[in-house]
Amino acid sequence: AQSVTQLGSHVSVSEGALVLLRCNYSSSVPPYLFWYVQYPNQGLQLLLKYTTGATLVKGINGFEAEFKKSETSFHLTKPSAHMSDAAEYFCAVSIRAGNQFYFGTGTSLTVIP
Amino acid sequence: DTAVSQTPKYLVTQMGNDKSIKCEQNLGHDTMYWYKQDSKKFLKIMFSYNNKELIINETVPNRFSPKSPDKAHLNLHINSLELGDSAVYFCASSHQPFWEQFFGPGTRLTVL
Repeated sequence: AQSVTQLGSHVSVSEGALVLLRCNYSSSVPPYLFWYVQYPNQGLQLLLKYTTGATLVKGINGFEAEFKKSETSFHLTKPSAHMSDAAEYFCAVSIRAGNQFYFGTGTSLTVIP
Repeated sequence: DTAVSQTPKYLVTQMGNDKSIKCEQNLGHDTMYWYKQDSKKFLKIMFSYNNKELIINETVPNRFSPKSPDKAHLNLHINSLELGDSAVYFCASSHQPFWEQFFGPGTRLTVL
């Protein structure tokens, strides 16, 4: 069965500290992987995506993620948190061959001044 | 110029009523979706249309019926509304099925 797991429903970091949001997936075929961000009272916005090729992908707002097949992970990082990064973050996996798409349960990021 | 728009933004109604939510995208995408987000922020896909054909029809009550009059529009009609239908409903679109999705601002449905 295909799925995606986000470890930690709530993460708090100090402003300027490293942000690390964890995502693991389960798939029998190579997946496409996405990170989305949802600011309060808004829709989701794509941060970055991995399809094929380079395993380290850079996204908007200084975020990046690395696809690690051996660990079935796609963790999201940002070197220095900003207050404006406070939001809900969703990892997602797409299994296009089977028309399957799964969102993780989300991680709420709080940035402490 | 809004890429994916939904109307209304807020919808407050009584149990048992029938209501519709409209979605339009001006991105030229072939695929559109409806998602339900509950109070715990869990996102659940409900339906997906590709070129006006239903490709995903998850286990949702048959009180929910999607309608796609053309590739740019996907509406959601809900009959006999129940308290448990209260949630935020998001429309989204993508160039191909389950590729990068663009989301609308959401419709917050409250059933009293």
